[in-house]
Parts: sequence; structure tokens; C-alpha cells
Amino acid sequence: GQQVMQIPQYQHVQEGEDFTTYCNSSTTLSNIQWYKQRPGGHPVFLIQLVKSGEVKKQKRLTFQFGEAKKNSSLHITATQTTDVGTYFCAGEDRDDKIIFGKGTRLHILP
Amino acid sequence: DTAVSQTPKYLVTQMGNDKSIKCEQNLGHDTMYWYKQDSKKFLKIMFSYNNKELIINETVPNRFSPKSPDKAHLNLHINSLELGDSAVYFCASSPTGAPYEQYFGPGTRLTVT
Repeated sequence: GQQVMQIPQYQHVQEGEDFTTYCNSSTTLSNIQWYKQRPGGHPVFLIQLVKSGEVKKQKRLTFQFGEAKKNSSLHITATQTTDVGTYFCAGEDRDDKIIFGKGTRLHILP
Repeated sequence: DTAVSQTPKYLVTQMGNDKSIKCEQNLGHDTMYWYKQDSKKFLKIMFSYNNKELIINETVPNRFSPKSPDKAHLNLHINSLELGDSAVYFCASSPTGAPYEQYFGPGTRLTVT
């Protein structure tokens, strides 16, 4: 069945360093979404990418969707303590089935 | 004005019991979901309902049954609870049209002893 792999599973970075999480699907996706879950909280929608090769930015966050629509990345520039949490990608296939990646847990070292 | 609400927030119960978790959304969305998040934070979709019809039914035990009295509610009933059912359960909703973003409820932490 369809799989959405997300790496790394954990990432510790020094405050101010950059961070990237990657998402790879075994099949072509209709779209991909990214969510952030703070410790003890619930997933919160960040963005959706639909077009092949699409790049979107939200302040220090840059989201990319691969040309083949099978992979995506989230890059955070100059991390801050408020960036702590788990970042999930969620891919929707052509049958409208949604698969979440296992998430990347980001920990910021002061 | 909470968009997606769940009750209870915490639920502690013994093995073999039957329990329900309620979910309500006031966003006017057509699709609602139930997710299970285990101790490793893996988020797994369990069910989704679109206009009161089940459209996704993942391979979850039939002890779990979603019930939707109307478009704004999707409750989760669990029979004969087992230790492995301990997790955080999230309800979510999304509109039918793009961008299909999902709005999650605060979660219900279920502990089975």
C-alpha cells in the first residue's frame, strides 16, 4: 500500500541553526500538507502544496513540493525555541486517501 | 468559539469496558475524521465521514465504531477496551473543497488499565 516516509524521526539543533525535514511518498500525490504539533497539543495546519515543483514561504519556513509530486520538504531558517514540536507531512493520493508521515520531532537546544 | 471540540479530554478506564468519545465541529465542514496517536506520536487515520457516510474505514478492529448523528458530530464508540487502545484520539474536520486542510480537536487521552 501507499507509504509516506518522513525523515529524520528526531532532530536536535542549536537555537539559530537551520532545520529540514523530508517527506517521500511511494506514489504520486495529488497534494501534500504540512502540520505542526506542539508538545501536548494537537496538529495545526501549516500549508498545502498542490503544483509540481511548488515552493511556498511563511516567514522563516520554506516548503517545497517535488517535480514528480512524490516528495516534499520543510526548511526552517534560524530556528527559535517557538519552533519546538513535531512536524508532520500528510499526502493525499489520487483516491483521496490521506496518509500522514510519522513526523519529525524538533528539539531546540538553547 | 472552539472550532473542533472533543469530550472528554482525559479518559481512564479498565479493560473490557465500553466508552465513547464525542466530537463536534462548528465550521460547517462536510468531512470529519478520527485519528489515533500512539506513544511514539505516530498519527494514524481511523475513520472519516463525509455527509454522514463512511468513506474511509482503515483496518481498525471492529470494536471501534464511528457514529455520526449529524454533519457536525462524529462520535467514537469503543467496545471491550484493551490495553493497546491507550493513546490520544484526535477528531478533525475539513471542507469538501480545496485546500482540504484539516482542523484538529484538542484530543482525548485514553488510558486503559
